[in-house]
Amino acid sequence: DTEVTQTPKHLVMGMTNKKSLKCEQHMGHRAMYWYKQKAKKPPELMFVYSYEKLSINESVPSRFSPECPNSSLLNLHLHALQPEDSALYLCASSPSDRATGELFFGEGSRLTVL
Amino acid sequence: AQTVTQSQPEMSVQEAETVTLSCTYDTSESDYYLFWYKQPPSRQMILVIRQEAYKQQNATENRFSVNFQKAAKSFSLKISDSQLGDAAMYFCAYRDYGGATNKLIFGTGTLLAVQP
Repeated sequence: DTEVTQTPKHLVMGMTNKKSLKCEQHMGHRAMYWYKQKAKKPPELMFVYSYEKLSINESVPSRFSPECPNSSLLNLHLHALQPEDSALYLCASSPSDRATGELFFGEGSRLTVL
Repeated sequence: AQTVTQSQPEMSVQEAETVTLSCTYDTSESDYYLFWYKQPPSRQMILVIRQEAYKQQNATENRFSVNFQKAAKSFSLKISDSQLGDAAMYFCAYRDYGGATNKLIFGTGTLLAVQP
């Protein structure tokens, strides 16, 4: 059972639509991440939030807008996307300290942009 | 910058046999973590095994074990008694020893097929 929950699991949107991906964790982790993954490729880091503040933005286009309303929730707002943005979007969380180093991943949201 | 290299894009193993997946990395740090993640067709990235660089003893988790060679910067994964459920993409990953802003750096992955 995943402890990082992502919704929706699948999303199809047009290039003019506005949609959001949601991620939730209840492990008390203070760091949360968005990754983008293309088929048969490793995940690529997009954003990192640490203690609800954006700490890393990997030069992601502004059509992707992250939001961290509280320590358990992470959103990714999508607007005016391009077909090449179709991918699996993975959310992850981790303790903010050095305890284990690992990231805990959700099952991902499969996005298709038409 | 740290890099992770997986030189085997695809591997195949017979059920019940043993297979070893290779991973090398490059870093100038002395303290770091190494991981193997498994991603089955269901998509979720699942941690298989973790190794802290300061520990000389190789990590083991049931049928999974690693051969960690710090000087050679090598971190291979051995899967014993392979099962059909082991079929997945396996990613080797590196992370500096530190806080949330230290990135998890992935290799390109090895797609493992398990033949019945």
